[in-house]
Amino acid sequence: GNSVTQMEGPVTLSEEAFLTINCTYTATGYPSLFWYVQYPGEGLQLLLKATKADDKGSNKGFEATYRKETTSFHLEKGSVQVSDSAVYFCALSATTDSWGKLQFGAGTQVVVTP
Amino acid sequence: GAVVSQHPSWVICKSGTSVKIECRSLDFQATTMFWYRQFPKQSLMLMATSNEGSKATYEQGVEKDKFLINHASLTLSTLTVTSAHPEDSSFYICSAKTSGYTGELFFGEGSRLTVL
Repeated sequence: GNSVTQMEGPVTLSEEAFLTINCTYTATGYPSLFWYVQYPGEGLQLLLKATKADDKGSNKGFEATYRKETTSFHLEKGSVQVSDSAVYFCALSATTDSWGKLQFGAGTQVVVTP
Repeated sequence: GAVVSQHPSWVICKSGTSVKIECRSLDFQATTMFWYRQFPKQSLMLMATSNEGSKATYEQGVEKDKFLINHASLTLSTLTVTSAHPEDSSFYICSAKTSGYTGELFFGEGSRLTVL
């Protein structure tokens, strides 16, 4: 079946450090890939997405590239801020499922210290 | 942006009672909503797909008689945990999809259920 694996947290960084959160997936066909962010006390928000191989999603300084050859969608940000502290979820929507049904990774908590 | 609201945000109940959680799309119509369950430090697990005006579609292993879903209007879906037991304690999250085959998804803040 479909699955998403992302690195365990918490990841603790200093402000302005480089952030990478690894995400790999297993799916048949060509899934769409997403990164969601959950700030404390809030619902999940879409951070970025990519719908086909080699697509790069980007938003708020975050980037992720859909790599079909390595079945990966790693999230990166060059210089994090304290406000980036949150839980980040990698997710996929399989082509065999109806749009909107998401398979999530376990989530990675990121803590950015001043 | 679009807002999805869940109520209550947290609830404590006694074992054997039933609890209803509401998911509302506040500024758009959602023909499809999804219900997820999240255990501590684990990923969100899809429980069911809720379609307005029709029966919900449950994922394998989810008891439909235990987790009753009703999507009576284009802005409201409800999840009722019937005869709740401590093992039903969890974080329940809904998402709502805007119209169109690849509509956008918006998530609620989640509802934490604790069954004593």
